[in-house]
Amino acid sequence: GDSVTQMEGPVTLSEEAFLTINCTYTATGYPSLFWYVQYPGEGLQLLLKATKADDKGSNKGFEATYRKETTSFHLEKGSVQVSDSAVYFCALSAPLNKLIFGTGTLLAVQP
Amino acid sequence: DVKVTQSSRYLVKRTGEKVFLECVQDMDHENMFWYRQDPGLGLRLIYFSYDVKMKEKGDIPEGYSVSREKKERFSLILESASTNQTSMYLCASSEDSLNSPLHFGNGTRLTVT
Repeated sequence: GDSVTQMEGPVTLSEEAFLTINCTYTATGYPSLFWYVQYPGEGLQLLLKATKADDKGSNKGFEATYRKETTSFHLEKGSVQVSDSAVYFCALSAPLNKLIFGTGTLLAVQP
Repeated sequence: DVKVTQSSRYLVKRTGEKVFLECVQDMDHENMFWYRQDPGLGLRLIYFSYDVKMKEKGDIPEGYSVSREKKERFSLILESASTNQTSMYLCASSEDSLNSPLHFGNGTRLTVT
């Protein structure tokens, strides 16, 4: 069945460092892809999405490009801040607006 | 702003108890979902509903049931709580249109002793 694989965390970076969190997927159709973020003590919230191949989603300095040839949707940010510390989830769409989530990657940014 | 409210932030229940987790959304969304979140396993879908009185099983429905009597409210029921149901439970809602984002509540951390 469809699935999402994320890099294991935690990822620990210093402020202003470059961030990459890898995400690859397996899907039979042409799903949409999403990144959600969960700040401490909160529920998940949508960070960005891409609905077709070669689309780039972006928000708050984060970017991810839908790569059909490598079945990937890696999350990147050029310069992280302490406030970016959170758990990041990659997800793909399934019928009836369901989402299939990866296991999440904890990002810790140190000042 | 969409608000999804889960009635309890923390719950502690005993094995064998019947447990109700309540979720209310204020944006007239058609779709509602219950996920559980466990370390190393991410989010797994328990049940979802795309209309009042309609429900569909997710990936891990065993030991759970749901109720949706009104559009804004979606309840998760643990008929007889067990220790392996200790987890974080997340409710979400979305519009009934393609690729609509899910809006999540802050979660209920349930401990079954």
